[in-house]
Amino acid sequence: AQKVTQAQTEISVVEKEDVTLDCVYETRDTTYYLFWYKQPPSGELVFLIRRNSFDEQNEISGRYSWNFQKSTSSFNFTITASQVVDSAVYFCALRRAGGTSYGKLTFGQGTILTVHP
Amino acid sequence: NAGVTQTPKFQVLKTGQSMTLQCAQDMNHEYMSWYRQDPGMGLRLIHYSVGAGITDQGEVPNGYNVSRSTTEDFPLRLLSAAPSQTSVYFCASSYQPGGGNTIYFGEGSWLTVV
Repeated sequence: AQKVTQAQTEISVVEKEDVTLDCVYETRDTTYYLFWYKQPPSGELVFLIRRNSFDEQNEISGRYSWNFQKSTSSFNFTITASQVVDSAVYFCALRRAGGTSYGKLTFGQGTILTVHP
Repeated sequence: NAGVTQTPKFQVLKTGQSMTLQCAQDMNHEYMSWYRQDPGMGLRLIHYSVGAGITDQGEVPNGYNVSRSTTEDFPLRLLSAAPSQTSVYFCASSYQPGGGNTIYFGEGSWLTVV
């Protein structure tokens, strides 16, 4: 069985602080995909990143960066110089590779990030 | 290109009533899914389809029915609504043959059962 754990239920920071959202996963598969989604107050799910298990390179996109460590089964997400617009619920998710697994995501519980001005 | 369209966006039901949440996609995706989102539990998979005429159960299928008569549509039916089905429902689609495997989500449907 697959499992995704986001131990941080809520995080509160002041604007311009850096913040890291933790994600730990469990899977017996050797090939899998990891995702991060953002859910702003408006409610829709916004795709942020997909990482496959063979690619352990860290990725940076503007103020966002992701640290994938297969050895610790973690896929953490850092926002640098946070802004009020970053306030949202962030979900980490896991999917098996191939077969009928497209679209079958296992989500973490979500982390509520509040950035205060 | 409308993507994934869910209707209705908001609905209030009385216990025991039935209703259908509609989901349609115009991206020729083979795979479609329904998730429910509850506080502190993330999104959980209800039902899943890998193509027209093929459906399968997800993690929390009880109380819900689905069918997939066309590639474009994947309705979710609540036959006898219960307060425990109060939730936000998301439809998703993915996998265009020969294309990518990005998962697209609808905007969500807020359902309250009283």
